[in-house]
Amino acid sequence: KQEVTQIPAALSVPEGENLVLNCSFTDSAIYNLQWFRQDPGKGLTSLLLIQSSQREQTSGRLNASLDKSSGRSTLYIAASQPGDSATYLCAVVQTSGSRLTFGEGTQLTVNP
Amino acid sequence: EAGVAQSPRYKIIEKRQSVAFWCNPISGHATLYWYQQILGQGPKLLIQFQNNGVVDDSQLPKDRFSAERLKGVDSTLKIQPAKLEDSAVYLCASSLVAGGYNEQFFGPGTRLTVL
Repeated sequence: KQEVTQIPAALSVPEGENLVLNCSFTDSAIYNLQWFRQDPGKGLTSLLLIQSSQREQTSGRLNASLDKSSGRSTLYIAASQPGDSATYLCAVVQTSGSRLTFGEGTQLTVNP
Repeated sequence: EAGVAQSPRYKIIEKRQSVAFWCNPISGHATLYWYQQILGQGPKLLIQFQNNGVVDDSQLPKDRFSAERLKGVDSTLKIQPAKLEDSAVYLCASSLVAGGYNEQFFGPGTRLTVL
């Protein structure tokens, strides 16, 4: 059974700092991995999707890496801003078209 | 392009009452998912449809939860009777047919409070 773990559970940083969020999964035979952002009381916004054959994806100040063999992914946020404050969720798909298995998220607070 | 639509956004009911949620996926998306997100946890899949057929309902509490997807488009999720532990956000997501990136797009969710 796939299990996804995110560390840390919560993180508070000053504005402008670069930061890394970690995600690990127990079964490395994944199809893809997605990083999501969730604002309080809102749905999930997809940030980045990495196929199993890829090593990383970038979007603006965000960079996500994937090391399938070790069961790890990281989300790097450069030059953090107060507007980045949210919960960040990592999720994996085992086979094409199947369910997402989520971690419990990292609650990020960026202080002005 | 319109996103995934859900209604209602909020619902408060008493335990043992019934409740229904509605989802309209992105046009052309054949796969539809219902997830349950309890406060402080990641979402957990309840049921997955491919067109109007059920692909995965292994984590659906079938004694009280039911779902249908008529004509392979809109879907409804029903809870009857509700329990206190059903208090959660119910998220609907959709994706294109199996194959390719299979990126899942989520709606805003329905927040259910059971008193």
